[in-house]
Amino acid sequence: GDSVTQMEGPVTLSEEACLTINCTYTATGYPSLFWYVQYPGEGLQLLLKATKADDKGSNKGFEATYRKETTSFHLEKGSVQVSDSAVYFCALSDTGFQKLVFGTGTRLLVSP
Amino acid sequence: AAGVIQSPRHLIKEKRETATLKCYPIPRHDTVYWYQQGPGQDPQFLISFYEKMQSDKGSIPDRFSAQQFSDYHSELNMSSLELGDSALYFCASSFSGTSYNEQFFGPGTRLTVL
Repeated sequence: GDSVTQMEGPVTLSEEACLTINCTYTATGYPSLFWYVQYPGEGLQLLLKATKADDKGSNKGFEATYRKETTSFHLEKGSVQVSDSAVYFCALSDTGFQKLVFGTGTRLLVSP
Repeated sequence: AAGVIQSPRHLIKEKRETATLKCYPIPRHDTVYWYQQGPGQDPQFLISFYEKMQSDKGSIPDRFSAQQFSDYHSELNMSSLELGDSALYFCASSFSGTSYNEQFFGPGTRLTVL
């Protein structure tokens, strides 16, 4: 079945450091890929998305490129802020309007 | 902009009791999904509805049932509650008229079973 694997956390960075959170997926069809962010005590917010190979999703300085050849969708940011501290989930939705399959989440901690 | 509404936000129940969680999707959204997130876990899909019909089913216990009503709101009914049912329950909605499945999540209902 479909699955998502993302790097374990926590990832601890200093403010203005570069961020990469790895995400790889397995899917039978042509999935759409997403990154969701969850701040402490809150729900899931869509951070960015990509719906086909080579698409780049971007939002709030975060970027991720849909790489079909490596089945990856790594999340990157050039300069993190303390306010970016949260749990980041990589997710996929296979063809059609199907359920989201999430990775296990990566906690990011950014210190001043 | 209107968001997904879930009620109640917090719910405390005893073992073997029943609980009903409600979800009001974004206006015009015709698909509703339910997810369960245990402590420190990733969200797990439970069940989904499209145009009031069940469209997919995941790891939902037989003790749970759900439906989507004519106004598109959905309810998750949970009976014979167990300690392990304590979790954050999210509802998400999407609109089938787009070319991709962007799901918008509600704030969640935190269920505690004592």
